Amino acid sequence: EPEVTQTPSHQVTQMGQEVILRCVPISNHLYFYWYRQILGQKVEFLVSFYNNEISEKSEIFDDQFSVERPDGSNFTLKIRSTKLEDSAMYFCASSRQGGDEKLFFGSGTQLSVL
Amino acid sequence: GENVEQHPSTLSVQEGDSAVIKCTYSDSASNYFPWYKQELGKRPQLIIDIRSNVGEKKDQRIAVTLNKTAKHFSLHITETQPEDSAVYFCAAGNNRLAFGKGNQVVVIP
Repeated sequence: EPEVTQTPSHQVTQMGQEVILRCVPISNHLYFYWYRQILGQKVEFLVSFYNNEISEKSEIFDDQFSVERPDGSNFTLKIRSTKLEDSAMYFCASSRQGGDEKLFFGSGTQLSVL
Repeated sequence: GENVEQHPSTLSVQEGDSAVIKCTYSDSASNYFPWYKQELGKRPQLIIDIRSNVGEKKDQRIAVTLNKTAKHFSLHITETQPEDSAVYFCAAGNNRLAFGKGNQVVVIP
């Protein structure tokens, strides 16, 4: 069964550094998402992306965050200047369509900001 | 935006008994209600979902019920097994999902 893949599985960085989290969505999916989960808390929506542009973003997704689909397969999340509170598990997800279509999650990247 | 509340936060059941987790949501425009199971350190996995034009859906030992008038939906797990132990998240929405805080379900052998 096709899966969403994410790399790296763990990322440790110093506060203020830039990080790029990478995702390969399922190949025939058109909608891409980033969610994050701080340890022990709920999964939080960050951003959705369709047709090479952001379709929706949350209040968490401020100017420090950006997303990109640099080629036909990868979908990346960049955090320009990481803060301690950015430490979380970041999940990429994709779906064939938007709306009430099933969301498939990647295995996540655990980001630790020191 | 949508706000999803999930109760209880922790649920312990004896193996073989049923478990019920309830969620409420705030936005009447939400039309998609999935449930995810997350085992420790792993990705959330979709286990069942329901759309707003359906009141109940069942898949083997798992069922979901939806009450749009009251804006709540529930997950029912029958004949629980130890491998059902996990955190269960409900979600609601349209183009973006809002998740509940999760329920830790512990099945005691």
